[in-house]
Amino acid sequence: ETGVTQTPRHLVMGMTNKKSLKCEQHLGHNAMYWYKQSAKKPLELMFVYNFKEQTENNSVPSRFSPECPNSSHLFLHLHTLQPEDSALYLCASSLARGRIVSFTEAFFGQGTRLTVV
Amino acid sequence: AQTVTQSQPEMSVQEAETVTLSCTYDTSESDYYLFWYKQPPSRQMILVIRQEAYKQQNATENRFSVNFQKAAKSFSLKISDSQLGDAAMYFCAYRSGSRLTFGEGTQLTVNP
Repeated sequence: ETGVTQTPRHLVMGMTNKKSLKCEQHLGHNAMYWYKQSAKKPLELMFVYNFKEQTENNSVPSRFSPECPNSSHLFLHLHTLQPEDSALYLCASSLARGRIVSFTEAFFGQGTRLTVV
Repeated sequence: AQTVTQSQPEMSVQEAETVTLSCTYDTSESDYYLFWYKQPPSRQMILVIRQEAYKQQNATENRFSVNFQKAAKSFSLKISDSQLGDAAMYFCAYRSGSRLTFGEGTQLTVNP
């Protein structure tokens, strides 16, 4: 247990569904991240939030919509996904210094295994 | 853009033996951090060891140590006295600023 909790652990959704992934950290961190992990591919950074502000969007399609209401919670809202979006979605958090996200190590949750049918 | 390359998709080691996982990276930055993460079947990404680029001394954490060659942009992980619980996917990662870039991973099998 790293202090980063993701729910649900598994999610199956149709292409017309709307669902949300939740991430919560109890580490007092102020930066949070979404990563996508597909088979045979390196982890892909999707979004970075620092002090609740989005500081990076790595050219992610608009069918993925992040939300960070406070430094402890991060959501990923999913809408009209495609089968190729099936993957493990990992949330991470770290300690940023000021407005510059200059973190050392990131702590990861256990991920949500998403299957789009 | 920074890239991280792990040239060994799979490695295996006998229990109690030593294994070295390779990692190279490409960057024009001078200030950065390097990490090795472990991802067991539980999917939890766990930090194994970290290295600051400005430090010449290789990092060590119990049975885990690195060989950091900054000029060669190489960052290998040595696992000594391998244990069955070391079996996992190992990822090398590079961090500069806000971006943490991962390699493709090396699947390590530990044989009893």
